[in-house]
Amino acid sequence: GAGVSQSPSNKVTEKGKDVELRCDPISGHTALYWYRQSLGQGLEFLIYFQGNSAPDKSGLPSDRFSAERTGGSVSTLTIQRTQQEDSAVYLCASSRDRYTEAFFGQGTRLTVV
Amino acid sequence: LAKTTQPISMDSYEGQEVNITCSHNNIATNDYITWYQQFPSQGPRFIIQGYKTKVTNEVASLFIPADRKSSTLSLPRVSLSDTAVYYCLVGDMGSWGKLQFGAGTQVVVTP
Repeated sequence: GAGVSQSPSNKVTEKGKDVELRCDPISGHTALYWYRQSLGQGLEFLIYFQGNSAPDKSGLPSDRFSAERTGGSVSTLTIQRTQQEDSAVYLCASSRDRYTEAFFGQGTRLTVV
Repeated sequence: LAKTTQPISMDSYEGQEVNITCSHNNIATNDYITWYQQFPSQGPRFIIQGYKTKVTNEVASLFIPADRKSSTLSLPRVSLSDTAVYYCLVGDMGSWGKLQFGAGTQVVVTP
């Protein structure tokens, strides 16, 4: 596609439920990143995929968070047993490689009620 | 990773030049300086990147002094559509994707 696509754009879920957020990166981009942005805050790095290398998970806030990237393309961020503090905008970005600028999607606004 | 400090907010009028200075005293030899722009309800967008001296593109200029402990993003003749949050990031180009964006600088342009 022309840009990074994220779905859904909005998600409201009940506390304790699991959610999956999807990211379709720009075709051919080997690097993919997930960030979280709470209201009025900067972006918080979550996880980074580069090609076939093991992902850098150093930013994941707890073991309730996990992500995978299938076939080096689409990525899914899963949050298990959601908590109210998980409410935020989750942003995905991709870049041609680890050295070049990243292009961000519009994000998924997650609200845990 | 080098820590950055930038003003929380700046106000400007249309047509003026806006200069946002970012401090990064602990910048490392391999670090580059990158600026991103974010509009409400959108993901950040790359503006400019530099290592030293001056870089200019169609959107902005980036001034970096010789000691590289700070940098200034210059937006010429701003318009209302330049109202956004601007983030300064410093890091090795191979690891920049992991960088903490920080709170950024909220620039508000008024008529």
